[in-house]
Amino acid sequence: AQSVTQLDSHVSVSEGTPVLLRCNYSSSYSPSLFWYVQHPNKGLQLLLKYTSAATLVKGINGFEAEFKKSETSFHLTKPSAHMSDAAEYFCVVSDWGSGGGADGLTFGKGTHLIIQP
Amino acid sequence: DSGVTQTPKHLITATGQRVTLRCSPRSGDLSVYWYQQSLDQGLQFLIQYYNGEERAKGNILERFSAQQFPDLHSELNLSSLELGDSALYFCASSGTARQIEAFFGQGTRLTVV
Repeated sequence: AQSVTQLDSHVSVSEGTPVLLRCNYSSSYSPSLFWYVQHPNKGLQLLLKYTSAATLVKGINGFEAEFKKSETSFHLTKPSAHMSDAAEYFCVVSDWGSGGGADGLTFGKGTHLIIQP
Repeated sequence: DSGVTQTPKHLITATGQRVTLRCSPRSGDLSVYWYQQSLDQGLQFLIQYYNGEERAKGNILERFSAQQFPDLHSELNLSSLELGDSALYFCASSGTARQIEAFFGQGTRLTVV
């Protein structure tokens, strides 16, 4: 079975400062990992994905994440926060494609990112 | 815009009733997934259809059912509704049977009163 733990339910940073959203995962197989963003009253948008290629993954809007197998982590970072980054962020794991069970995408509980002016 | 269309956007209904949520996937996508987002359970995978057939099942209640039609649109049927079924229901689609890089619709917010 697969699981995801987002270590912070809320993160508050000032505009222009770095963002770090933490995610740890558990998977019996070689997982695929994703970060999705959900703006208020909007659907989910894919920020970036890791599927066993380069461990440092670059996504949209300046976000990136690093897959660290030894630490079972997939933290999301951005060098400089913008007001438009305020949203809910979800770390997601899937091992369906690598031979795992049909568990679908497993979402973390989400991290609410607050940007202070 | 993800290209996935869900209708209606909002739905208010009474306990015990039955509702149908509709999803049109992105053009050419064969897979449709349904997810439920609630405050206490977070985002949970319900069910996947691929090219008209059920492909994977998650935490879907027996009171809920889904189907995918020949034109690839999908419907999620929720019956004998309870207050706890109030949630945001998302549909997602992808081009393959693998649950990777699914594109999500904007959701249907169901309120059961």
